[in-house]
Amino acid sequence: AQSVTQPDIHITVSEGASLELRCNYSYGATPYLFWYVQSPGQGLQLLLKYFSGDTLVQGIKGFEAEFKRSQSSFNLRKPSVHWSDAAEYFCAVGPFGNEKLTFGTGTRLTIIP
Amino acid sequence: NAGVTQTPKFQVLKTGQSMTLQCAQDMNHNSMYWYRQDPGMGLRLIYYSASEGTTDKGEVPNGYNVSRLNKREFSLRLESAAPSQTSVYFCASSEARRAWDSNQPQHFGDGTRLSIL
Repeated sequence: AQSVTQPDIHITVSEGASLELRCNYSYGATPYLFWYVQSPGQGLQLLLKYFSGDTLVQGIKGFEAEFKRSQSSFNLRKPSVHWSDAAEYFCAVGPFGNEKLTFGTGTRLTIIP
Repeated sequence: NAGVTQTPKFQVLKTGQSMTLQCAQDMNHNSMYWYRQDPGMGLRLIYYSASEGTTDKGEVPNGYNVSRLNKREFSLRLESAAPSQTSVYFCASSEARRAWDSNQPQHFGDGTRLSIL
């Protein structure tokens, strides 16, 4: 069965600092990988997705993620965070086929001035 | 662009009461989903529908029923609410013709915050 682990429940970074959110997955083949962001009181919004090809994918709002098969990871990065990036971030894995999309438990990001 | 609209946004119920959560999408999407979100547990799938007239159980279907009334609407019903069903409920939709064509991202509503006393 597939699974997703986000080891960091809560991360605090200073505005302007760099950010990396960790995501590890377990799946027997090459998965489809997603990062979603949830602002307070709102639904989830897709940041980026990886299906194949270039292992470094660019998303919206200046985010990027790198797929590393050897480490079963798909970490989310941003060079310089803005106060508006404060939100909860979810990694998700979905295999090709008819199995369900599995979400991680989320990482809450706090930005300090 | 409305996207995915959920009603109501907030609701408080007493144990044993029934309620239907409504979801509608205006993107002509084939697949629709209901999730619940609980602290520390991420999103868990309750039910999904790959097309009008079809529904399938997800990870946590017990205590819920769904109805895909037409292509736009997918409702979630709690027949006899229990405190364990206190949660935030999200509806989502995607273009996927098979519910789990993962190359089609899911679009989410803003959620329904449900408290059961």
